[in-house]
Amino acid sequence: GQQLNQSPQSMFIQEGEDVSMNCTSSSIFNTWLWYKQEPGEGPVLLIALYKAGELTSNGRLTAQFGITRKDSFLNISASIPSDVGIYFCAGHYSNTGNQFYFGTGTSLTVIP
Amino acid sequence: DTEVTQTPKHLVMGMTNKKSLKCEQHMGHRAMYWYKQKAKKPPELMFVYSYEKLSINESVPSRFSPECPNSSLLNLHLHALQPEDSALYLCASSQLPGPLFSRANVLTFGAGSRLTVL
Repeated sequence: GQQLNQSPQSMFIQEGEDVSMNCTSSSIFNTWLWYKQEPGEGPVLLIALYKAGELTSNGRLTAQFGITRKDSFLNISASIPSDVGIYFCAGHYSNTGNQFYFGTGTSLTVIP
Repeated sequence: DTEVTQTPKHLVMGMTNKKSLKCEQHMGHRAMYWYKQKAKKPPELMFVYSYEKLSINESVPSRFSPECPNSSLLNLHLHALQPEDSALYLCASSQLPGPLFSRANVLTFGAGSRLTVL
């Protein structure tokens, strides 16, 4: 199935720094999702976006639905050690039924 | 109740064994999914059930056999697996897509079943 391009692939940052990652697709979506996955666990939904241009926050996390509907961005401000994990984007277009397409993931390491 | 529950958490099996993974949700979702995930990779879709009927099979080998006994339960029957089938198996559920439910188009995942095939 289609895979979304997510970058960067990995990040090593100091505690307190801000983080930015993005996801791009060759197809348009009408839903963008951002998940975090910790070792041995399933992905947990962080933010859902439903409208082009939408900017949504969840605590220190902010995500945006790109205006072209082919990309999305996730920012984490003032990172802390518990932000460590792999972040996945996912896109959905209702005309494709139940298909959700996942990004390749961004592995985040926070150095205390 | 906003959980997807998967059992067992860990499973070790030989290549000749028959075992099953189980998944349960009580969110009223009518779509349920099986994903396979290798380390540090995104989840790969295996099967989708919509209204308890198989709607998507991503060319998965027949040694994996899904079953959806009712709207809350999803099983994955395993038989004659190979060592390369070792992975984290994730169950997920969602509302069915459509204009009315567009804001509900999110996947809710379980914690996964870690499978090791010896």
